Amino acid sequence: GAVVSQHPSRVICKSGTSVKIECRSLDFQATTMFWYRQFPKKSLMLMATSNEGSKATYEQGVEKDKFLINHASLTLSTLTVTSAHPEDSSFYICSAVGGTGSYEQYFGPGTRLTVT
Amino acid sequence: SQQGEEDPQALSIQEGENATMNCSYKTSINNLQWYRQNSGRGLVHLILIRSNEREKHSGRLRVTLDTSKKSSSLLITASRAADTASYFCARLEGRTSYGKLTFGQGTILTVHP
Repeated sequence: GAVVSQHPSRVICKSGTSVKIECRSLDFQATTMFWYRQFPKKSLMLMATSNEGSKATYEQGVEKDKFLINHASLTLSTLTVTSAHPEDSSFYICSAVGGTGSYEQYFGPGTRLTVT
Repeated sequence: SQQGEEDPQALSIQEGENATMNCSYKTSINNLQWYRQNSGRGLVHLILIRSNEREKHSGRLRVTLDTSKKSSSLLITASRAADTASYFCARLEGRTSYGKLTFGQGTILTVHP
């Protein structure tokens, strides 16, 4: 099956710094990638939809200047958490959809961000 | 909330028993999907059911969909300790085949050996 990777799997950073999370589709070209955020024991909340070569579409309430998304190629999308604060600590998960007409989203393993 | 409702929020059973989780939603859907998530891990796609389907099977999994009641259920038969995980339903709304998913609150399933 299709594989999506995320890097890093865990990251700890200090308040005020920026952190970049990468999402890669390893064996298919992803026309669309999605970024989700998940709090402990909670569900996934969609943050934004990322299409290759165009600006990301953010969900209501998500600060686009805070969470910068770049979908530079058909296999890579990045999420940068700028000027991170402890409340940004969360589990960030990406998913990717191939251009084959398949309904299925392939999810990455997630990135645990802890801001101290 | 735009998220679907899932119940129960937590389910604790013994190995060998069946586990049933329910999902309700409010808008029309293109399809509904069920995912599994082990603690601290990513999501694993279990099964997808389209809006014109009523039931699907995959191994020990059985999913039903009632679009008139806007609800779906996931049945895991003959559960195993390894089935312990969180289970989420996610609905795809609209006409596109790969739009954004809206996840339910999830059910935490614990299967005791």
